[in-house]
Amino acid sequence: AQKVTQAQTEISVVEKEDVTLDCVYETRDTTYYLFWYKQPPSGELVFLIRRNSFDEQNEISGRYSWNFQKSTSSFNFTITASQVVDSAVYFCALSEPSSNTRKLLFGQGSTLHVQP
Amino acid sequence: GAGVSQTPSNKVTEKGKYVELRCDPISGHTALYWYRQSLGQGPEFLIYFQGTGAADDSGLPNDRFFAVRPEGSVSTLKIQRTERGDSAVYLCASSQNGRNTGELFFGEGSRLTVL
Repeated sequence: AQKVTQAQTEISVVEKEDVTLDCVYETRDTTYYLFWYKQPPSGELVFLIRRNSFDEQNEISGRYSWNFQKSTSSFNFTITASQVVDSAVYFCALSEPSSNTRKLLFGQGSTLHVQP
Repeated sequence: GAGVSQTPSNKVTEKGKYVELRCDPISGHTALYWYRQSLGQGPEFLIYFQGTGAADDSGLPNDRFFAVRPEGSVSTLKIQRTERGDSAVYLCASSQNGRNTGELFFGEGSRLTVL
C-alpha cells in the first residue's frame, strides 16, 4: 500500500540554523514521483520539487536541498541557514503513474517554526 | 487572475444544509483536482477532472459529495446534507495537462465549518 510518513510533526529552530525534514514512503511501484510542497499561513500549497524514482541525484536549489535514497525509501529536505520566511508547513507527497489517477498522496506535514 | 481562485474563502453552515464550493483554475489548465485538508493533516484526494469528465472520483467519501466541471474550466464541489465531520479546508488545484508531472497549482482553499 502507498504511504508517506513525515517524522517531524513540529520543529522549531533559530534563524540561520540548518534544519532537515524527513520523509519516508512506501510504494509497490518501481516507477513513482516524489514531491515537496510548502504551505505558508495563507494556505496555498507551493510546489518546491519533483523527483522521479529513476533519478537519485541529490538536488540543490539555493538554500534548499533534497536527498533521495531509494535504498531507504527516503526523500529528505534540508534548509540551510533558515530564515523566518521559511516558517510554514511542509508536505512530502507521492504519486504513482501506474495508478493512472494522477493524484498525490501527502504526508501529514511538518510544521517548521523559525525564530528570529 | 493568474492563479487558482476559490470561493468562498470561508463558509459557515448548519448541519444538514447544502453547500457549493467553486474553483476557477488557471486558464488553459485541463486537469483539475479537489483535495480536502483536515486540521493538522495533509491534503486528501477527492476527485480529478480531465477536461469536463471526472477521470477519478475514488476519493469522494460518500454520495453526499459531488463535483462538476461542465465546460472544462470552472468546477463546483457540492456537498448535500452537511455533517460536522465535513468541516475542513477544501483545496482546488489545476495543472496544464494532467500528466504525472505533479506540478499542481493550488488555490488558497475554502474553509468549511459545519455547526
